[in-house]
Amino acid sequence: LAKTTQPISMDSYEGQEVNITCSHNNIATNDYITWYQQFPSQGPRFIIQGYKTKVTNEVASLFIPADRKSSTLSLPRVSLSDTAVYYCLVGDPRSNDYKLSFGAGTTVTVRA
Amino acid sequence: NAGVTQTPKFRILKIGQSMTLQCTQDMNHNYMYWYRQDPGMGLKLIYYSVGAGITDKGEVPNGYNVSRSTTEDFPLRLELAAPSQTSVYFCASSGNYNEQFFGPGTRLTVL
Repeated sequence: LAKTTQPISMDSYEGQEVNITCSHNNIATNDYITWYQQFPSQGPRFIIQGYKTKVTNEVASLFIPADRKSSTLSLPRVSLSDTAVYYCLVGDPRSNDYKLSFGAGTTVTVRA
Repeated sequence: NAGVTQTPKFRILKIGQSMTLQCTQDMNHNYMYWYRQDPGMGLKLIYYSVGAGITDKGEVPNGYNVSRSTTEDFPLRLELAAPSQTSVYFCASSGNYNEQFFGPGTRLTVL
């Protein structure tokens, strides 16, 4: 499993854009990058997944440079309800023994 | 669809007792997982299954056992509970391409 490194915590204010960068220097050719969000006392929830360049959905954008050794999750115009822990994961979803490794994640705190 | 359901929500065990954490999914997913999450930490994979009858160890399997007799159910068995197993346990399932759906968790305390 590719090891990932992301900041332990980030603070922001309502209405701002939050960008969380994840490093994954030993990402394999078939690996995808996936981000999850976890609120207190709940299980993680899938946010977005990508392989290269840029992926956007109604919640976030994921930017992946050409070398794929890092990725950035962008949360536009955050609100208080975006306060959560965000996990960056790397793995090959098409592998028969596919499994993910969750690190400590990034705790994002949004203030009014 | 109920998604992934887990029972019980809370449980207190005495050292040496045993119990089974139940997990059921109604999405016809092949992949199922058990994680534990200690306070302030990320999730650690205990066991996973790629289909009925097939299970494999994750990062922290010691002290646990699983079985997968049906696509829907993936129970986790704790034998001889120890204080180190105090944690929140999450079950998850996924179909193709990775998105895992998590249950609400079981908060276990071993005293």
